[in-house]
Amino acid sequence: QKEVEQDPGPLSVPEGAIVSLNCTYSNSAFQYFMWYRQYSRKGPELLMYTYSSGNKEDGRFTAQVDKSSKYISLFIRDSQPSDSATYLCAMSRAGGFKTIFGAGTRLFVKA
Amino acid sequence: DTEVTQTPKHLVMGMTNKKSLKCEQHMGHRAMYWYKQKAKKPPELMFVYSYEKLSINESVPSRFSPECPNSSLLNLHLHALQPEDSALYLCASSQETLAGGSEQFFGPGTRLTVL
Repeated sequence: QKEVEQDPGPLSVPEGAIVSLNCTYSNSAFQYFMWYRQYSRKGPELLMYTYSSGNKEDGRFTAQVDKSSKYISLFIRDSQPSDSATYLCAMSRAGGFKTIFGAGTRLFVKA
Repeated sequence: DTEVTQTPKHLVMGMTNKKSLKCEQHMGHRAMYWYKQKAKKPPELMFVYSYEKLSINESVPSRFSPECPNSSLLNLHLHALQPEDSALYLCASSQETLAGGSEQFFGPGTRLTVL
C-alpha cells in the first residue's frame, strides 16, 4: 500500500464547475499537508499549505484536512480553463524534510 | 521574493559528458532539495541539504553529485549519465524550523536529455 493515494484521473469538467480533488494517506504521523499545481513541463507551484486538521481558503481554492479519516481535499470553485493542470497532494511529518507526493490528478477544464 | 531559479532550462548531453545544473534562492531558506521527475509521475526526492550539509541522499547513483557552496546556491554535477536519466530535474527550498514541516517552493526545472 502506498503512503499516499491519489486518483491520477484524468478529470474533465466544464468551465464554472466546482472541482473536488482528494488524497488518502496511511501514515498518521503526517501533520503538514500541501497542494501543488503543475502545468505541463513546468515546476510545481505551491497552492495551499495547512497544518493538522481543518479548512483553509484562498480565493477560489479551499483545502480541507480530516486527520481522523486520513483524507485531504482541494476544492476549486468557478473553475477556469487556466486551471487545467496536474494537481499534486503532498504531506510530511514534523521534524522531517521528506515530503511524500501523491501521483497527481490531471484536470481538464473545458471552455 | 518567493522565487527559486534554475539554469539551464534545457540541457542535452552525451553519456560521456560532464555538466552541472544550478539552483539559486534568495528567500533565506536553509534547506534545499533536488528532485527528479519523469513524465506523468510525481517528483522523486534525490538529495536534501540542511544548513549547507547533506542531510538526505536517497541512494542516488554516484554519477549524480550534489554540492551546496553556500546557503543560496545548490548545484548538481552530472557525469557518465545514462539515457534513462533523462527527466525534469527540480530544485526546491524550504525554511527549516524546529517544528519541522516542509513547505517547499520549487524552481521551474531543468529538462535534461541524455543521448
